[in-house]
Amino acid sequence: EAGVVQSPRYKIIEKKQPVAFWCNPISGHNTLYWYLQNLGQGPELLIRYENEEAVDDSQLPKDRFSAERLKGVDSTLKIQPAELGDSAVYLCASERQGPQRNTGELFFGEGSRLTVL
Amino acid sequence: SQQGEEDPQALSIQEGENATMNCSYKTSINNLQWYRQNSGRGLVHLILIRSNEREKHSGRLRVTLDTSKKSSSLLITASRAADTASYFCATATKTSYDKVIFGPGTSLSVIP
Repeated sequence: EAGVVQSPRYKIIEKKQPVAFWCNPISGHNTLYWYLQNLGQGPELLIRYENEEAVDDSQLPKDRFSAERLKGVDSTLKIQPAELGDSAVYLCASERQGPQRNTGELFFGEGSRLTVL
Repeated sequence: SQQGEEDPQALSIQEGENATMNCSYKTSINNLQWYRQNSGRGLVHLILIRSNEREKHSGRLRVTLDTSKKSSSLLITASRAADTASYFCATATKTSYDKVIFGPGTSLSVIP
């Protein structure tokens, strides 16, 4: 089966510019995550979707970050305006729901590396 | 915020040796997972151990879980150069939606 697809892989922008990242999860995976990963650190959760509902966005800086998953499949993560400190890798992951709860196995995309100059 | 903490931060071993990484966490969990990340790539799921399990094996990987100490260990036996990567533990906390939180990772270098 196809894996989680993210685009673009790399993006370089000037500060104060907008940027958007796109994620296509594995077919049939109801749960979708966006994580931020700084160099040498572990992924930090930004937002989690169950189908089209954002069930956990407590870590999303809502003044400049927004996300959507309109039809419960693809998702976009937007930053407007970008700041120097936003330079990081943005990872998307998806997870299949089991009979009672999520399976616990996340499948990650290759990530989108953002550099803000 | 990060729930898990891996130890050591970095580990360098010779090919053929065993590598042990530890993870400690703070709050009650439903399960604990280990992931591998090669440089510049996404994370790959290695193994999941549930809170009612104590040990699990998968190929050259052995994971233990001690919920009384809130800790887990990942053992890679007979390491290979291809095992060089960062390894992360992730915990699914006991919330209504099993939030998955990652630790800062252990960087493993296996020297041929």
